[in-house]
Amino acid sequence: DIQMTQSPSSVSASVGDRVTITCRASQDISTWLAWYQQKPGKAPRPLIYAASTLQSGVPSRFSGSGSGTDFTLTISSLQPEDFATYYCQQGNSFPRFTFGGGTKVEIK
Amino acid sequence: QVQLQQSGPGLVKPSQTLSLTCVISGDSVSRNSIAWNWIRQSPSRGLEWLGVTYYTSQWINVYAESVESRISINPDTSKNQFSLQLNSVTPEDTAVYFCGRGSYRAVDVWGQGTTVTVSS
Repeated sequence: DIQMTQSPSSVSASVGDRVTITCRASQDISTWLAWYQQKPGKAPRPLIYAASTLQSGVPSRFSGSGSGTDFTLTISSLQPEDFATYYCQQGNSFPRFTFGGGTKVEIK
Repeated sequence: QVQLQQSGPGLVKPSQTLSLTCVISGDSVSRNSIAWNWIRQSPSRGLEWLGVTYYTSQWINVYAESVESRISINPDTSKNQFSLQLNSVTPEDTAVYFCGRGSYRAVDVWGQGTTVTVSS
């Protein structure tokens, strides 16, 4: 099974900060990597698929990069509505998916 | 706009069967290249993919090894929905359950989630 490891597990940041979250796969997954944002009591919101393609309606301050085993999600200028938990997910072993453990973005 | 509406009981007794349904609007359960997933989330397991059904000249079901002996996911083309059945549940199956549409090897549409508690 492919394991997904996110770091850090939590980050404290202020509005306007640039935030970078890392996701590492236990083996090469090409660019089959997706990112989600989740707020308490809600379903995950899709942000990015295929490592760097924004889902429809996602603000351009979100960006994704990487290939192989190392990936990043960057929020260029953190907004108040961006405080949430972020998850990565590998799709290389389709139709089986694996999710990372999550990164909580908290207010500093 | 594709929407997924989940329904099913929030409380299930140990050893019984958990049954949830996901009704699809704005898409078709039998559309080629689209996968219909069930995923659950708990503090102990995080987000856990459970299984999928999809149509590609025939119906294909794939399940996570952790629940493979107890799970069944079935499409219902007449009602444009798909369902989850998880047998012999224990308290470890307590979680929020989500249905989701799979596209480009990601989940691009999610149901609202159903909190299921396994307790007597």
